Amino acid sequence: EVQLVESGGGLVKPGGSLRLSCAASGFTFSSYSMNWVRQAPGKGLEWVSSISSSSSYIYYADSVKGRFTISRDNAKNSLYLQMNSLRAEDTAVYYCAREFSYWGQGTLVTVSS
Amino acid sequence: QSVLTQPPSVSAAPGQKVTISCSGSSSNIGNNYVSWYQQLPGTAPKLLIYDNNKRPSGIPDRFSGSKSGTSATLGITGLQTGDEADYYCGTWDSSLSAEVFGGGTKLTVL
Repeated sequence: EVQLVESGGGLVKPGGSLRLSCAASGFTFSSYSMNWVRQAPGKGLEWVSSISSSSSYIYYADSVKGRFTISRDNAKNSLYLQMNSLRAEDTAVYYCAREFSYWGQGTLVTVSS
Repeated sequence: QSVLTQPPSVSAAPGQKVTISCSGSSSNIGNNYVSWYQQLPGTAPKLLIYDNNKRPSGIPDRFSGSKSGTSATLGITGLQTGDEADYYCGTWDSSLSAEVFGGGTKLTVL
């Protein structure tokens, strides 16, 4: 069974940093591209970033480019999102997704003073 | 403002059929596959349709997808109260080099 479990969310002040993790199991992690998608409270889905299976291709939404960094460790079956210079508008539930076919349950990031 | 345009809400009675539209452009829907997602209240999104019209294992054939030009449509027949959810379309945008989603459509089963 495919499982994706996000962690690392929490309350952070504007300008602060946070690192999200996504632990994958139930499939060959190294064979799939992975994504981060976020959803602000009461709002729709917003794609954040994608990384190919071997990390050769990485893409970011304009709204996070230069502030967020996606990475993966295929040996640890893990996906990461390093978030720096956080803003209030980054407040959202962050989901990791395997090629958008399978989604984790999400982790809440709140940026507030 | 979402790149893909969906109606904010649709409604229909139990047992009836409903369609949800998703409008885009040649850089996204026009030249890429469309997916549809269902998000039940308080839960993560779930893939309903991929590659325009394919259903993942376990998704009932009451759900269907189609695409024509720069628009896509999700159809749901035999509506059930359990279908009440938010529905999103999504696809890759070749000009933006970004995955884009519609703003979401809230389905109410009256």
